[in-house]
Amino acid sequence: QVQLQESVPGLVKPSQTLSLTCTVSGGSISSGNYFCNWIRQPAGKGLEWIGRIYTSGSTSYNPSLRSRVTISVDTSKNQFSLKLSSVTAADTAVYYCARETNENPIDYWGQGTLVTVSS
Amino acid sequence: EIVLTQSPDFQSVTPKEKVTITCRASQSIGSSLHWYQQKPDQSPKLFIKYASQSFSGVPSRFSGSGSGTDFTLTINSLEAEDAATYYCHQSRSLPYTFGQGTKLEIK
Repeated sequence: QVQLQESVPGLVKPSQTLSLTCTVSGGSISSGNYFCNWIRQPAGKGLEWIGRIYTSGSTSYNPSLRSRVTISVDTSKNQFSLKLSSVTAADTAVYYCARETNENPIDYWGQGTLVTVSS
Repeated sequence: EIVLTQSPDFQSVTPKEKVTITCRASQSIGSSLHWYQQKPDQSPKLFIKYASQSFSGVPSRFSGSGSGTDFTLTINSLEAEDAATYYCHQSRSLPYTFGQGTKLEIK
């Protein structure tokens, strides 16, 4: 069974770039046909979709974040990556990576990683 | 962007009670509506996909219905372990969106 695990960046300073990776285990990215979605959740609040990337590299982003977001894939490391630039305190949240397939909507999620933006 | 509005925001219920949570979409999304359960400090778990299909391993007391703009998640004979926040999510069009969540408290 595919499992996803986000990296732990911890604290990011305002105006800097947040960088996260999602490591996939239980199968090779290059042999799968699915999307990796990035979703975030501020403490005590709801879920916000950030964007997604297909295993081929095709991307889609939330228009509200598009100017600051880059999602990429590294098949050699079996990882997906998220970069969010020019962060502010409003970007403080738990960030999740989650899989979506042609058969299923977003089905399996990583455990999530808390990113705090603070000086 | 498709807006999903859930009701109620919060519900306090007793065990064995039947619970209904609704999700309304701002435009028709066919059956591309899914339900997730999230417990504190856990990631969301897919429970119902495409409006009415139960995901693998989900207890049979959970069911979903609806199409177009109006959808319902029903929990028959509520159990204590069902205390959680439930979110609806649409995958009909990008950007993907989620409802604001319905928090279920067990009395």
